[in-house]
Amino acid sequence: EIVMTQSPATLSVSPGERATLSCRASQSISSNLAWYQQKPGQAPRLLIYGASTRATGIPARFSGSGSGTEFTLTISSLQSEDFAVYYCQQYNKWPPYSFGQGTKLEIK
Amino acid sequence: QVQLVQSGAEVKNPGASVKVSCKASGYTFTDSYMHWVRQAPGQGLEWMGWINPNTGSTKSAQRFQGRVTMTRDASISTAYMDLSGLRSDDTAIYYCARGYNWPDSPFWDWGQGALVTVSS
Repeated sequence: EIVMTQSPATLSVSPGERATLSCRASQSISSNLAWYQQKPGQAPRLLIYGASTRATGIPARFSGSGSGTEFTLTISSLQSEDFAVYYCQQYNKWPPYSFGQGTKLEIK
Repeated sequence: QVQLVQSGAEVKNPGASVKVSCKASGYTFTDSYMHWVRQAPGQGLEWMGWINPNTGSTKSAQRFQGRVTMTRDASISTAYMDLSGLRSDDTAIYYCARGYNWPDSPFWDWGQGALVTVSS
């Protein structure tokens, strides 16, 4: 089973600043990685797939990078609506489709 | 636009079963795998399994094998997830999520979730 590890668990950033979230896979997953955003009381929303492709309607301030085992989600200039929990997920080798434990992005 | 509308909240006794439905619209139901993901209170996301709505074939996570049954009724574009032998640690929000027309894909759209509470 592939284990996904996200860091940090909590990230405190001021609005307008850049946020960088990390995700590591326990073995190579090529570029079969997705990022999701989840706000309180809501379902997750797909942000990035294929490690670096933004889903439909996702603002350009969200970008993804990486391949193999190391991945990064960058939010270039944080808006108030971006404070949420972010999950990475691999869909390269399943079952299971494993998720990271999440990074909570909070206002500094 | 794609919509996945799930059934409502349920309260079940330990040992009982629960069946959650997920009605799809805005796309061809049989063209996309449907996944089930759960989230315990304050916890992360856990994939449970998928169903191919076209063929009815299913795949589940090992920890749920023998307890989870996924079915569909393509005539009404609805997928179902039945979980038996409920325990208190099955208390969670259960989501359906649409994949693509092959299994190696992210989850494009999600239902609103169905809260299942297991308590005596």
